[in-house]
Amino acid sequence: KAGVTQTPRYLIKTRGQQVTLSCSPISGHRSVSWYQQTPGQGLQFLFEYFSETQRNKGNFPGRFSGRQFSNSRSEMNVSTLELGDSALYLCASSLGLAGVNYEQYFGPGTRLTVT
Amino acid sequence: DAKTTQPNSMESNEEEPVHLPCNHSTISGTDYIHWYRQLPSQGPEYVIHGLTSNVNNRMASLAIAEDRKSSTLILHRATLRDAAVYYCILRANYGGATNKLIFGTGTLLAVQP
Repeated sequence: KAGVTQTPRYLIKTRGQQVTLSCSPISGHRSVSWYQQTPGQGLQFLFEYFSETQRNKGNFPGRFSGRQFSNSRSEMNVSTLELGDSALYLCASSLGLAGVNYEQYFGPGTRLTVT
Repeated sequence: DAKTTQPNSMESNEEEPVHLPCNHSTISGTDYIHWYRQLPSQGPEYVIHGLTSNVNNRMASLAIAEDRKSSTLILHRATLRDAAVYYCILRANYGGATNKLIFGTGTLLAVQP
């Protein structure tokens, strides 16, 4: 079974631009969560989607948005990029929303550099 | 969400057991204890989880204190591949409302050959 895939793996953007990152969950998984990882803040939860609906959102500005498609694939978008948005963006998929009993499978991440 | 406290770093020798501690003194009765690890240049991966009883799987064992205020992840024979950051996470049982994970700073485990 293929794991979680994220595209692109590396990205360089300029301040003020926008970016879209893609995540394909494991086949059959309906839940997708996004995390941002930086050296200073560590791993922080961005948002999660289940059945095309956003179920939970972390404490990030409105420039960060996401969506999920009917095939469970998900995209996240960051508009008006800032230098501080440089980070590793991780996507995780899970079978369902049973919370404590559903382990999450993480992708390799997209490394975004904003110059 | 209840917080966890872990040592910043630990060292081990290859093929020796490793005990990674985690304190969670404010844990509630319905919080599950989960462990994930992140190998260099990879996303986190699930290791093990438990509620009250000790748990074993092919990767590790989880020993939970009787009062549940602390737990220990046990790697029975450390290998070089086990060098990673290990995260102890409490997951509240919201009845399936969310998969959100709150990561702390974790423990950086170094394994010496």
